[in-house]
Parts: sequence; structure tokens; C-alpha cells
Amino acid sequence: NAGVMQNPRHLVRRRGQEARLRCSPMKGHSHVYWYRQLPEEGLKFMVYLQKENIIDESGMPKERFSAEFPKEGPSILRIQQVVRGDSAAYFCASSPPEKPPNYGYTFGSGTRLTVV
Amino acid sequence: DQQVKQNSPSLSVQEGRISILNCDYTNSMFDYFLWYKKYPAEGPTFLISISSIKDKNEDGRFTVFLNKSAKHLSLHIVPSQPGDSAVYFCAASGAGGTSYGKLTFGQGTILTVHP
Repeated sequence: NAGVMQNPRHLVRRRGQEARLRCSPMKGHSHVYWYRQLPEEGLKFMVYLQKENIIDESGMPKERFSAEFPKEGPSILRIQQVVRGDSAAYFCASSPPEKPPNYGYTFGSGTRLTVV
Repeated sequence: DQQVKQNSPSLSVQEGRISILNCDYTNSMFDYFLWYKKYPAEGPTFLISISSIKDKNEDGRFTVFLNKSAKHLSLHIVPSQPGDSAVYFCAASGAGGTSYGKLTFGQGTILTVHP
């Protein structure tokens, strides 16, 4: 019973390149959440998705960032034209449809993005 | 606008003693509160939660207390063990609508339990 799987664990990109972060939710989970943790800070909500739907993207930067959770396959967080300020740990979490999401969801181990 | 605050960046406790981690919030719309524990290079792990209709929830060595009038909650760990050494995050969520899925986290408190 695998947990929330994120890959890659570490990602290095040069300024201006694109970063793609993948998240496979736990089996049976149809809700996915993305959070970002900057150095020395807490986790900041980015986006909440269900299959093929964006439910809440109030934490997503207006430009360069996008997220999807297709009918098949993992959820993808995409960052275009990365800048040094995008360097952070990005965490994905998932929860099952029958449980209110605010009851505590399961996080993956994160992807650490470094922009050089 | 830091709606959830953990004002103590770190806490050091002797093994066997009680650890008390504190959290304050400003948004009166929050109605569910959670504590997560995080080890380096890992994702946060859910510990315990409490609804705003309660003032206490207990699970083994962990107890969370909520004081709604003061907009304050605390996590008590007793007895503390060296394996409890980690970063502890307080989080809150609102009621209904899309805010259900959004957790607002505090900055975290580093707990160190000395043998």
C-alpha cells in the first residue's frame, strides 16, 4: 500500500528552464494538494485538485505556474521559466473522496527544486 | 499576513518531561485545527486534530487543547521521547466551500528531546 509518491526527489534547473514535478496519490485518493515550503518557512498552500478539475488555486502564483490532475496518470505541477526564488521544497498530499479534506491528508516526501 | 503563528522557533525538553507547543491564529473562520510532525527530508505526518466544537482531543501521548476565545491552541506531549525530536507544524482550515481543502500552516517549532 504505497503512500503518496513524488518524483523526482531532487531537481536542479537552470534559470529559464521548465520544471515538472509529479505526484501519484495514494490508491483510491482522488483529491490532490500542492504546497511549497521556502527555506525557514512553513508550508504554503498552492492548489487543490480533483480528477480533471481545479478546485482551489488561490495560492498559485499568477504567472509561470500551472497544475493538472488528469483522468489517468499523476498530478503535475509545472513551473515555466524558473527563477532562483522558485527554489523550495514542493510537497504533494492526497485524501480520499469520502473523507473531508480538512481532516488531515497524507503528504509525500517532497521534491526539492534548486534553480541555479 | 500570517494567520497561523507559532511564536517559538524551538523548544528543548528532557526525556520523560512534558513538551508544550503553542499556536495562535487570527482568522475566526477557522474551524478545524491540526498538528503535523516533520522530519528532515520527509513530508509532514499528521499527528492529531481538533474541531472547533471541542476544547480537547487526546490520542495516546498527544493531547491538543483549543481555546477559541483566545484563538490559541497547544499540543502537549507526555512523556516526551527522543524520537519525538522533529519540527511540529500547527495548521488550520475553514468551513465549507473550497477552503475545506486548504490548510494554513504556522512556521513550525523545532522540538529537541534530550535523553
